[in-house]
Amino acid sequence: EDKVVQSPLSLVVHEGDTVTLNCSYEVTNFRSLLWYKQEKKAPTFLFMLTSSGIEKKSGRLSSILDKKELFSILNITATQTGDSAVYLCAVGIIQGAQKLVFGQGTRLTINP
Amino acid sequence: EAGVVQSPRYKIIEKKQPVAFWCNPISGHNTLYWYLQNLGQGPELLIRYENEEAVDDSQLPKDRFSAERLKGVDSTLKIQPAELGDSAVYLCASSLGASGIEEQYFGPGTRLTVT
Repeated sequence: EDKVVQSPLSLVVHEGDTVTLNCSYEVTNFRSLLWYKQEKKAPTFLFMLTSSGIEKKSGRLSSILDKKELFSILNITATQTGDSAVYLCAVGIIQGAQKLVFGQGTRLTINP
Repeated sequence: EAGVVQSPRYKIIEKKQPVAFWCNPISGHNTLYWYLQNLGQGPELLIRYENEEAVDDSQLPKDRFSAERLKGVDSTLKIQPAELGDSAVYLCASSLGASGIEEQYFGPGTRLTVT
């Protein structure tokens, strides 16, 4: 069974801290790994990774994929209260048709 | 650019009643997805459309769930009859590409409560 596991499930830090969120996966036909930020309802796209070792960066957020060890990390530096959200990791697989399999998410809370 | 539009945003029904959700994808996006998200979990794919064709409905519980995408634009997801366990957020998403594994744009979802 294809599985995507995120850790920690919940994290509370102070504004200005740096956080690292983890996503590990066990899937049969890996194609891509995506990170989303979910505030309130709609997940919004952050990054898509397909190759190992190539860091994707957007402002204070960055992410990297390790296809040998089957995980990805999402780093957020100098956190702000607006970074509070659930961060979802999704792995693109082929299972008959191609689809995204989501992890359960990490709830990040940034306290002022 | 308008995002993915869903309605209603909230729906409360009694068990055994029917319910329908509507989705209008981003203009030009030929691929449309319906996901179910339970509390504290990630979204789970129910069905994916490429234009009018359902190319992956393997996760759709076909005994009570149905979906359609007439004319390849708007889509409707229906549950009949609803059960208590159907209480969840139903998310619609769309994408420009047709692979099913690239960037998808999500709507705000419909929160369904079955009493």
